[in-house]
Amino acid sequence: GQQVMQIPQYQHVQEGEDFTTYCNSSTTLSNIQWYKQRPGGHPVFLIQLVKSGEVKKQKRLTFQFGEAKKNSSLHITATQTTDVGTYFCAGPAEYGNKLVFGAGTILRVKS
Amino acid sequence: SAVISQKPSRDICQRGTSLTIQCQVDSQVTMMFWYRQQPGQSLTLIATANQGSEATYESGFVIDKFPISRPNLTFSTLTVSNMSPEDSSIYLCSVVRRDRESKLGYGYTFGSGTRLTVV
Repeated sequence: GQQVMQIPQYQHVQEGEDFTTYCNSSTTLSNIQWYKQRPGGHPVFLIQLVKSGEVKKQKRLTFQFGEAKKNSSLHITATQTTDVGTYFCAGPAEYGNKLVFGAGTILRVKS
Repeated sequence: SAVISQKPSRDICQRGTSLTIQCQVDSQVTMMFWYRQQPGQSLTLIATANQGSEATYESGFVIDKFPISRPNLTFSTLTVSNMSPEDSSIYLCSVVRRDRESKLGYGYTFGSGTRLTVV
């Protein structure tokens, strides 16, 4: 069945270092979404990418959608302690109106 | 984005009992989704709730264990029935909404979650 894989599972960085999480789908996606979940919180929608090769920026966050629309990445420049949390990618399921979530990348930032 | 009020925020329940979780959305939505998130894990879809029809359950989830109601376009409940310790998890409701400024695109808005512990 359809799978959305995400790596790394866990990353611990020094404050000020950059961070990247990668997402790969077993199928071509019509769009990909990214979410952030703070410890003890609920997932919060960050962005949706729709176009092949699309790049979007939100301050220190850069989101990319691959040319083949099967992979995506989230890059954070100069991490801060406020970036701590789990980052999930998610794509539409092949069948039905639902999302398939990646396993998530846990980011810890040392100050 | 939508605002979802979910309650209770947490509960500790005895095995064999049932808990009903409520979600109220600030505007009408066609579909509401119920997810389960076990500690340190990703989100797993339990079922999709449509107003006026039976919920659609994902593989591994059955109506007898997780009955869902959807009486109108702004409200839904999920009941966790005959609970066991394996049901200890976070339960989340969500809806799809387009970002008001049309800059972020379509995404899911989640309720704040119900942290369930079964003892």
